[in-house]
Amino acid sequence: AQKITQTQPGMFVQEKEAVTLDCTYDTSDQSYGLFWYKQPSSGEMIFLIYQGSYDEQNATEGRYSLNFQKARKSANLVISASQLGDSAMYFCAMREGPADSWGKLQFGAGTQVVVTP
Amino acid sequence: GAVVSQHPSWVICKSGTSVKIECRSLDFQATTMFWYRQFPKQSLMLMATSNEGSKATYEQGVEKDKFLINHASLTLSTLTVTSAHPEDSSFYICSARDWGGRAGGAKQYFGPGTRLTVT
Repeated sequence: AQKITQTQPGMFVQEKEAVTLDCTYDTSDQSYGLFWYKQPSSGEMIFLIYQGSYDEQNATEGRYSLNFQKARKSANLVISASQLGDSAMYFCAMREGPADSWGKLQFGAGTQVVVTP
Repeated sequence: GAVVSQHPSWVICKSGTSVKIECRSLDFQATTMFWYRQFPKQSLMLMATSNEGSKATYEQGVEKDKFLINHASLTLSTLTVTSAHPEDSSFYICSARDWGGRAGGAKQYFGPGTRLTVT
């Protein structure tokens, strides 16, 4: 069964606008971690933001924030003030188990974001 | 920040030959590294978990005799695709955990990937 679901295969967003990328997850573990990565056309995976299951505050990193709704099992990424350089594929990922576990990640299908001038 | 390198960045080989891909953590020790495969326009699929000094753990459906993983040191893991065939053509990405980071090593750093084309 799919553990990470990203329902938006692609989206266009205008420069300077905010965009929300959806991510829902499925786990029976109490301890887990949620990640967002950006993959530009070069292929490298760039870490954006992390949310631990026990973190009470939503994670923020600069223009990125994670809207963590634990009861709904959702971990949406919000990019504020989009820039042309934000055009890329965005992946949501989950690590099941505590932070000191092996930590293998399971990835969603990804959302292709295109920022237009 | 931590850096993970991969070599080569791309490789073309003939069907039936073997190809070795290296993954190095440049400024931290990585007892655990992961190998992923990504087909065009698809997500990353975990192939195996590589632990320094022990055998790799392969995901279901991944042939361990075809994809040989060696993690001989705390900074180097290698993936060898043996007897490669065109269907093995893919983007191979490694990642490494930096246990020295916050939250018990929550971050994983990814290498830039290796694009393998088998003709």
